[in-house]
Amino acid sequence: DADVTQTPRNRITKTGKRIMLECSQTKGHDRMYWYRQDPGLGLQLIYYSFDVKDINKGEISDGYSVSRQAQAKFSLSLESAIPNQTALYFCATSDSGLAGGHEQFFGPGTRLTVL
Amino acid sequence: GQNIDQPTEMTATEGAIVQINCTYQTSGFNGLFWYQQHAGEAPTFLSYNVLDGLEEKGRFSSFLSRSKGYSYLLLKELQMKDSASYLCAVRDSNYQLIWGAGTKLIIKP
Repeated sequence: DADVTQTPRNRITKTGKRIMLECSQTKGHDRMYWYRQDPGLGLQLIYYSFDVKDINKGEISDGYSVSRQAQAKFSLSLESAIPNQTALYFCATSDSGLAGGHEQFFGPGTRLTVL
Repeated sequence: GQNIDQPTEMTATEGAIVQINCTYQTSGFNGLFWYQQHAGEAPTFLSYNVLDGLEEKGRFSSFLSRSKGYSYLLLKELQMKDSASYLCAVRDSNYQLIWGAGTKLIIKP
């Protein structure tokens, strides 16, 4: 089945460590997104990419970086993790055709804890 | 600034009808989305409105009034599995989604 997958699903790390979260999709979509979700808050956009050569900062990009290795892969890095980056991280994809609402399809999420 | 408001929590009875409201103030408007999210899981798409009016999809309907900056999601014949958070999101002039914090819906037998 066409899908959006994320690895790892859970990660516990220590302050100062470098962490990479990976996202792969088989939907053939060209647009990919990284969000974080904190309790009581809406999804916040970290970075997004409309194609392999296009990377854009979202509303909360500080402390994060991304890499779009291929159309199907979009990874998120925390260069030096800090406790307030503890959150649930989602990858999402959407297409860019002329028709339709271009809803986003989400991966299962990565629960990251920074001690 | 951009803002999406929806109630934090609602409670309803199995078999009943519930309406979840969403009001928004955004820089531009290019559509409004409703998503369902069960605890600890990914959001899943429910509905999309870009023109005023009601969109019906089975037990779920979504309404939009652009002039009022208002939408609602109507859930009929509630089932226990409908217990979840419902997220309202607006696509702004930059084609980015601005998300509300979500409404946690609790269904009681």
